[in-house]
Amino acid sequence: GAGVSQSPRYKVAKRGQDVALRCDPISGHVSLFWYQQALGQGPEFLTYFQNEAQLDKSGLPSDRFFAERPEGSVSTLKIQRTQQEDSAVYLCASELGTANSPLHFGNGTRLTVT
Amino acid sequence: DQQVKQNSPSLSVQEGRISILNCDYTNSMFDYFLWYKKYPAEGPTFLISISSIKDKNEDGRFTVFLNKSAKHLSLHIVPSQPGDSAVYFCAAGAGTASKLTFGTGTRLQVTL
Repeated sequence: GAGVSQSPRYKVAKRGQDVALRCDPISGHVSLFWYQQALGQGPEFLTYFQNEAQLDKSGLPSDRFFAERPEGSVSTLKIQRTQQEDSAVYLCASELGTANSPLHFGNGTRLTVT
Repeated sequence: DQQVKQNSPSLSVQEGRISILNCDYTNSMFDYFLWYKKYPAEGPTFLISISSIKDKNEDGRFTVFLNKSAKHLSLHIVPSQPGDSAVYFCAAGAGTASKLTFGTGTRLQVTL
């Protein structure tokens, strides 16, 4: 497919477990973003990559959150020692990286921490 | 401190009529504004955008208006169709390839 692909679609984790969420961006898209969307809220910025470089991680809520994009394409968002407040939909988006190009979102991973 | 606000959580419009969704922002550095549409269990889909150098952008049934002095933008959908029923998010960015700041969304329901 030509869109942004995220896996898994749903993840249930027990409190304290580690999780890894995967994002396959649109081929050729330079920029990749992770967003967190809580119920009833808009997406909130977590982190941003340009190719393999993580240029902004100011939105990561704690040091339990870690993201990587080692080869400049696929990205993984890892959450260590999950807490109930981590329950949300995690959205990945990519863009061409040119001025004012829109973000293209995947369908997200819904994480539920019990 | 919410920099992008959508004060109407929901809106109901009759099919064929105009839908007007509103958005206010506080950050003067924002120079690029977008509207996204979201269906349940799907990611947001880009609809239309506008640069701060313009005050209007039109794409088919969708028009976005920007009032910089009031820090306000709106999305007009005319005529509204049942398939337009979704949650609409306003978003704003500053600079190239910047992170977007989203509003909390407005749920639009288009009734028959």
